[in-house]
Amino acid sequence: EAGVAQSPRYKIIEKRQSVAFWCNPISGHATLYWYQQILGQGPKLLIQFQNNGVVDDSQLPKDRFSAERLKGVDSTLKIQPAKLEDSAVYLCASSLAQRETQYFGPGTRLLVL
Amino acid sequence: QKEVEQDPGPLSVPEGAIVSLNCTYSNSAFQYFMWYRQYSRKGPELLMYTYSSGNKEDGRFTAQVDKSSKYISLFIRDSQPSDSATYLCAMCGGGADGLTFGKGTHLIIQP
Repeated sequence: EAGVAQSPRYKIIEKRQSVAFWCNPISGHATLYWYQQILGQGPKLLIQFQNNGVVDDSQLPKDRFSAERLKGVDSTLKIQPAKLEDSAVYLCASSLAQRETQYFGPGTRLLVL
Repeated sequence: QKEVEQDPGPLSVPEGAIVSLNCTYSNSAFQYFMWYRQYSRKGPELLMYTYSSGNKEDGRFTAQVDKSSKYISLFIRDSQPSDSATYLCAMCGGGADGLTFGKGTHLIIQP
């Protein structure tokens, strides 16, 4: 079974630029999550989708972050404009349904200069 | 006070030792408890998933949950150099599915 795919794996941008990350969940998984992991910290939930609807985006900085999951499969997370403190690993996870085991992708490592 | 507290380490032990990793939490709504292992530059990988208080064993790993004390543990028996990684505790509950993680403990098993 293929795992969660993410791209790009690494991205370096300057502050105030915009960036987008892509996630392809495990086939058949209805629930998709985006987490932010700052160096030395545990992952922090940004947004949760159930199919193509948002379940929880309470911790998403909506002034600069946006996410969508069209057709209930792939998802993109965008940052516009980026700040220095956005430097982190952005992890995508998926699960068969809510409350089921979450499987994580390898993450996208973002460096904002 | 953070919702989940975990000592970041590093914790260094000799090969073959029993390792004990712990987390405390403050939110009594948490009902589901997990331990993830994360190797450098990789995503977290689920090791153990528990719901009720008590022990759950899987091979060399034992997860322990004490809801009355808001304390969870992971024990690793016969530790191997390949167990060297960061171990993250995670939990959820109270109607929310998103996981709340500890900082992670960096574990080093010396050959």
